[in-house]
This record gives sequence, structure tokens and C-alpha cells, in this order.
Amino acid sequence: GDSVTQMEGPVTLSEEAFLTINCTYTATGYPSLFWYVQYPGEGLQLLLKATKADDKGSNKGFEATYRKETTSFHLEKGSVQVSDSAVYFCALTRGVGDYKLSFGAGTTVTVRA
Amino acid sequence: NAGVTQTPKFRILKIGQSMTLQCTQDMNHNYMYWYRQDPGMGLKLIYYSVGAGITDKGEVPNGYNVSRSTTEDFPLRLELAAPSQTSVYFCASTLAGGDEQFFGPGTRLTVL
Repeated sequence: GDSVTQMEGPVTLSEEAFLTINCTYTATGYPSLFWYVQYPGEGLQLLLKATKADDKGSNKGFEATYRKETTSFHLEKGSVQVSDSAVYFCALTRGVGDYKLSFGAGTTVTVRA
Repeated sequence: NAGVTQTPKFRILKIGQSMTLQCTQDMNHNYMYWYRQDPGMGLKLIYYSVGAGITDKGEVPNGYNVSRSTTEDFPLRLELAAPSQTSVYFCASTLAGGDEQFFGPGTRLTVL
């Protein structure tokens, strides 16, 4: 079945450091890939997405590129802020007609001033 | 739009008690979902619905029931609470399958 594997955390960084969170997936066909973010005490919200190979999703300074050859969707940000402290989830759906999201375990990121 | 709303925010149950977690969305979304989030485990799908009157099991449905009588509401019922159901529960909705899901703020449930 479909699955998502994320880099284990927690990750602790200083402000302005570079952040990478690795995500690889196993799925048949051409899944759509997502990064969701959960700020403390809140529900999940979509950070970015990519729906086909070589697409780059971007939002709030975060980027991720859909790499079909390596089945990966790594999240990156060049200069993190304290406000980026959150739990980040990689997820996939098989796309139109597939109603369900498969989530990775989540990576907790803490950014210190 | 309020988006996806959930009540209550917190609840403590005794073993064997029952309760209903409420979920309402005002975006006219067809698809609605219930997830549970356990520490370090990501989110697991409990039940989902593709429209009023249609529900189906997810990965971890045992111990739960759902109904979908209207487009807006998707309540989750726990009939005989067990400590293993201690978790944070999220409701979500989306307009079309495969698209972005919108999440509620969650219900933190403790069963003692």
C-alpha cells in the first residue's frame, strides 16, 4: 500500500539556519504530494503541494520538488525563523478519485532565537 | 467562513462511557474525514465520507461509528470508551478527492 517516510525528529535549529526535512514515498501511479504544518495547539494546514513530477511547490519561503526518480519530496527553507517552529507532515494522495491522505509520522522543528 | 469547527476542545471520559465528537464545515465540501493523532505516529484515518448518506472505514475504525445526514455535519461516536482511544482527534474536509484537506482545531480526549 501507499506509505510516506519522513526524517525523524526532533530537529532544533538556530534562527537563519537552513532547514531540510527528508520525505520519501511508496505509491503506485502518480500521487499528489503535500506538506502540511501544525503549529502548537492548532490543526494541520497546507503548506505546499505538487501534483506531478518535477513540479516545485513553494510557500512562506519553503520549497519542495517532486522527484519521481528518487520518490522524494524533501522540504527546504533557506533561513528559518522562530515562528517556523512547528510539526511538519509529508503526505500523499493518489490524486483524482482517491479520497484519502497517507501521512508520514511528522517532524518536530524547534527554532531558537 | 468559519471553515471546519470541532467541539468539544477537551474531554475526559471514564472507561465504558460514550460520547460524540462534533464536526461541522461551512464550505459545502463533499468529502469529510476523521483522524486520530497519537504522539510520533502521524495521523491515522478512522472514517471518511464522500457525501451525505455515504460513509466508509479508514485504517483504524474499531470502537468508533459515524453518520453523515447532512453535507455540513460529520459526528464521530465512541460507544464504549477505552484507554487506547486517548488521542487527539481531527476532522477534515475537502471539495474534491485528491485536493487539499482543511482541518479543524482538534479535540483532545483522555480516557481514564
